[in-house]
Amino acid sequence: QVQLQESGPGLVKPSQTLSLTCTVSGGSISTGSYYWSWIRQPAGKGLEWIGRIYASGSANYNPSLKSRVTILVDTSKNQFSLKLSSVTAADTAVYYCARGPVYDSWGQGALVTVSS
Amino acid sequence: DTQMTQSPSSLSASVGDRVTITCQASQDISNYLHWYQQKPGKAPNLLIYDASNLETGVPSRFSGSRSGTDFTFTISSLQPEDVATYYCQQYHNLPLTFGGGTNVEIK
Repeated sequence: QVQLQESGPGLVKPSQTLSLTCTVSGGSISTGSYYWSWIRQPAGKGLEWIGRIYASGSANYNPSLKSRVTILVDTSKNQFSLKLSSVTAADTAVYYCARGPVYDSWGQGALVTVSS
Repeated sequence: DTQMTQSPSSLSASVGDRVTITCQASQDISNYLHWYQQKPGKAPNLLIYDASNLETGVPSRFSGSRSGTDFTFTISSLQPEDVATYYCQQYHNLPLTFGGGTNVEIK
C-alpha cells in the first residue's frame, strides 16, 4: 500500500509563502492513472480541496486559491509539493496530501500555523 | 462549483440503530462520489467509493446508494467505534468539493 508523508515548516509568518512537500513511498508517483492532491482542514472545520497534479506535471487548482497556489511534482524524488503565497491567519490549517481519484491513501497531515 | 449539501450536520443515535446521512449535489456528478470517516486528529478514511462500492477492509454495515443527484450513506447497525465525522466528496467536476460533514455520536 502506498504511503504519503507531509513535511515542511509548521509556522509561517503572515504575507510569506507556505511550502510543503509530500513524499510518496511504496509505489511510484508515475505509475497508474493517479493524481496527487492537497487538501486542508482548519481546526474544527470541514475539508477544502486545494488542487491536484498528475505525474506529467499538469495541475488544477481551486479557483478560491488559484492566484496563490502552485503545485509541482518531482518524479525523480517521488514527491510533490505545495506552495501557497501571501498567507494570512485564515490559511492556518492541517494540510493533507492524498492520492486520487479514489482517495484511498492520505498523509497523516501537517499542521501549519500562520502567525507572526 | 458543485455544492454538496450534506445533512444532518450532527446526529445522536443508540448502539445498534440504523443511521442515514445524505448528500445532495447541486448538479450532475454521476456516481463520482466518495464517503469518508474522520476521527479526531486523523486523516479521513475512505469507506465508500463511486457512490456504492465498499472499500476493501471496511465493515459491511457501511453502505452507499445514489438516486439522481441525491446520495445516501447508511450505517446499518451503529457501533461505538463508528463515532466520527463523515464526509461526502464529489470528483466529477472541478474543483472537487466536500460536504460539510456529519458528526455522529452515541446516545
